[in-house]
Amino acid sequence: EADIYQTPRYLVIGTGKKITLECSQTMGHDKMYWYQQDPGMELHLIHYSYGVNSTEKGDLSSESTVSRIRTEHFPLTLESARPSHTSQYLCASRQGNTEAFFGQGTRLTVV
Amino acid sequence: AQSVTQLDSQVPVFEEAPVELRCNYSSSVSVYLFWYVQYPNQGLQLLLKYLSGSTLVKGINGFEAEFNKSQTSFHLRKPSVHISDTAEYFCAAPPEAGSYQLTFGKGTKLSVIP
Repeated sequence: EADIYQTPRYLVIGTGKKITLECSQTMGHDKMYWYQQDPGMELHLIHYSYGVNSTEKGDLSSESTVSRIRTEHFPLTLESARPSHTSQYLCASRQGNTEAFFGQGTRLTVV
Repeated sequence: AQSVTQLDSQVPVFEEAPVELRCNYSSSVSVYLFWYVQYPNQGLQLLLKYLSGSTLVKGINGFEAEFNKSQTSFHLRKPSVHISDTAEYFCAAPPEAGSYQLTFGKGTKLSVIP
């Protein structure tokens, strides 16, 4: 059973609001990732981290930011939400080249 | 950089029939390959993985996959599907040797028909 948690599961928020999507894992994995996925579509990597104080942007340009102050915590922040940010956001972690473990996802709707 | 291609976007199949979901990767270097399943409104769950060793890999829920280096393929198979197998399936691999990222295919929607 994977121990990676995302909150909230669902979020409906108004345009212009600041939001933070939480992701935590208890497995001690050094690598963590954020993917964006529209319904029924492929996953796009938007941010990743290979350790504390290390963050990089992924292949898909995103207006979000991330931080990695603790190994277990990798929150994603949108300073000003827009309808174009409506999507599902998936957090994952892995150790070395083993499989990635995914959280349940956060489905974000910006109205 | 390696890409992962899933050849079928949708696969309908009758219950108890066999199924094969196809995945090809573009690189011939050492690879780590994964199949994930995603149920509606859920995250991804690992079905099986190939890191090294035997080319026939068995996973959860009765699925298996065969790593074929000469054909650069990693097709997923199940001899008899159930209604509960209806889901989206993703093939994944590192984009290049030594990378800790994972590149995902576009997914295959498996629909099991009663």
